[in-house]
Amino acid sequence: DIQMTQSPSSLSASVGDRVTITCRASQGISNSLAWYQQKPGKAPKLLLYAASRLESGVPSRFSGSGSGTDYTLTISSLQPEDFATYYCQQYYSTAYTFGQGTKLEIK
Amino acid sequence: QLQLQESGPGLVKPSETLSLTCTVSGGSISSSSYYWGWIRQPPGKGLEWIGSIYYSGSTYYNPSLKSRVTISVDTSKNQFSLKLSSVTAADTAVYYCARASGFSDYWGQGTLVTVSS
Repeated sequence: DIQMTQSPSSLSASVGDRVTITCRASQGISNSLAWYQQKPGKAPKLLLYAASRLESGVPSRFSGSGSGTDYTLTISSLQPEDFATYYCQQYYSTAYTFGQGTKLEIK
Repeated sequence: QLQLQESGPGLVKPSETLSLTCTVSGGSISSSSYYWGWIRQPPGKGLEWIGSIYYSGSTYYNPSLKSRVTISVDTSKNQFSLKLSSVTAADTAVYYCARASGFSDYWGQGTLVTVSS
């Protein structure tokens, strides 16, 4: 299995801050990476796929980058509705795997 | 707008088989080149992909669950289903169905399944 390691596991930030979350794969995944946002009691919501492609309807303050084994999700200016848990997921291998999640909390 | 809805028992006894169905509306499960999958999330924990199926019946499963999982599809009902056998308390989770061709862009709301006697 391809292991996905997210960092940090939790993060405190303020509205307006720029935030970066990192996801590292145990082997190269050729940009086959998605990012999701999940709020309590809700299903995950797709934010980006193919490492950097923004899903339709997702605000442009969300962006993704990376290659090989290392990928990042950046929120350029945090909004109140962005406080949630974020997950990365690789789909390079058909045994899809998720990162353990990053909980973004209000400072 | 594509919608997915999970259904099935919310309580399953240990050693029994968990069975869930996902009903897809707003689109045909067999009219496009997508896989359909199941993902679960134990209370307070992260996401775990269980497996996916194509409308033709082609499947692939999480290797750690493969011996206990069966995913099937019923195109006439626009549904796909999950069976997980020999469940234990560790299988207690919210189970989500999703359109899952790589990444998942459409999700059901999730259903909590508790394994307990």
